Amino acid sequence: AQTVTQSQPEMSVQEAETVTLSCTYDTSESDYYLFWYKQPPSRQMILVIRQEAYKQQNATENRFSVNFQKAAKSFSLKISDSQLGDAAMYFCAYAGNTPLVFGKGTRLSVIA
Amino acid sequence: DAEITQSPRHKITETGRQVTLACHQTWNHNNMFWYRQDLGHGLRLIHYSYGVHDTNKGEVSDGYSVSRSNTEDLPLTLESAASSQTSVYFCASSDSAGGYTGELFFGEGSRLTVL
Repeated sequence: AQTVTQSQPEMSVQEAETVTLSCTYDTSESDYYLFWYKQPPSRQMILVIRQEAYKQQNATENRFSVNFQKAAKSFSLKISDSQLGDAAMYFCAYAGNTPLVFGKGTRLSVIA
Repeated sequence: DAEITQSPRHKITETGRQVTLACHQTWNHNNMFWYRQDLGHGLRLIHYSYGVHDTNKGEVSDGYSVSRSNTEDLPLTLESAASSQTSVYFCASSDSAGGYTGELFFGEGSRLTVL
């Protein structure tokens, strides 16, 4: 079964600085998708970014980018120019031939 | 606008009672899912459905059941609520075909407390 590991339960970053959240996964599939979801205090789950495994180019969405290392099964999220509104739980998720599998999450605090 | 709604948003019940959490989506998505979120565990899959009359067990399905009689709804039933089922429950849907479930669109969650 696929597993997703987020090794940092909590992280903090100064406003306007850059932070990287780590995620590793385990799979025997060759074709799959990876996601980062954000969950602010409102509890709503919001898709931040998506990466298709067959694409070598790292996905980017405005201030959010990923470092996808397929051989290492690593999928980290970089947030640039951090803003107070980025404070949230961040979940890494894997989707292959089964429903999404989530990591346990990383709580990000942004310090003004 | 299309959306996915859950009800009730908050519920308190007693041990042993039957509870049903509703999930309704207007995206016309084939795939629907129920997850539970607990501190330290992230989101764990309870049940899912790839279409009408299709249901499948997830990682933590014991004590829960679902049925899919139409495209829009996937109610989650706790047959006999237990304190261990105190959690936040999320319904989600996606529109991809086959085994790949794609990006999930989430409801706002239902907080269930079992006393």
